Amino acid sequence: EPEVTQTPSHQVTQMGQEVILRCVPISNHLYFYWYRQILGQKVEFLVSFYNNEISEKSEIFDDQFSVERPDGSNFTLKIRSTKLEDSAMYFCASSQQGQGRGEQYFGPGTRLTVT
Amino acid sequence: QKEVEQNSGPLSVPEGAIASLNCTYSDRGSQSFFWYRQYSGKSPELIMFIYSNGDKEDGRFTAQLNKASQYVSLLIRDSQPSDSATYLCAVNLNPGAGSYQLTFGKGTKLSVIP
Repeated sequence: EPEVTQTPSHQVTQMGQEVILRCVPISNHLYFYWYRQILGQKVEFLVSFYNNEISEKSEIFDDQFSVERPDGSNFTLKIRSTKLEDSAMYFCASSQQGQGRGEQYFGPGTRLTVT
Repeated sequence: QKEVEQNSGPLSVPEGAIASLNCTYSDRGSQSFFWYRQYSGKSPELIMFIYSNGDKEDGRFTAQLNKASQYVSLLIRDSQPSDSATYLCAVNLNPGAGSYQLTFGKGTKLSVIP
């Protein structure tokens, strides 16, 4: 069964450093998403991406964040200058459809620890 | 403020019983409703989705949607210890504005006691 994959599973970085989190969405899916979950808190939406551009972003997704689809399979989230409060699980998700009925399937996540 | 609300639990049920999980949402225009299961330290796993009023059954799981009451529930029949997890309700709260994002509740922690 196709699944979303993410690398690395755990990333430790120092405050102020740049990190890139990588995702390979399900191959026939067209819509891609990043969510994050701070330990013990809700899953929060960051950004959605379709047709090589951002469809929607949350207040969390400020200028320190960017997304890219560098090739036909990968989807990346870059945090330019990490802060302690960026420590969280970051989940990539994908769906075949977007608005309305698109079921979103989540990857295993990357645990980001900022020290 | 657009929200999805769930009782955080924990909800404890004996093995073989029916577990009932509830969720309310704030936006009457919502059209898509999802239940995810999340084991500790793992990612959300989609287990049910429902788009129309009424019931939808899939194996031991039944999702129920009442748009008039802005209420969605998940029933788990013949609960097993392996069902012990946190169940997340997620809603596409604002599809009319071209929004794809899901808004999640805090989750209900379910414990199935052998």
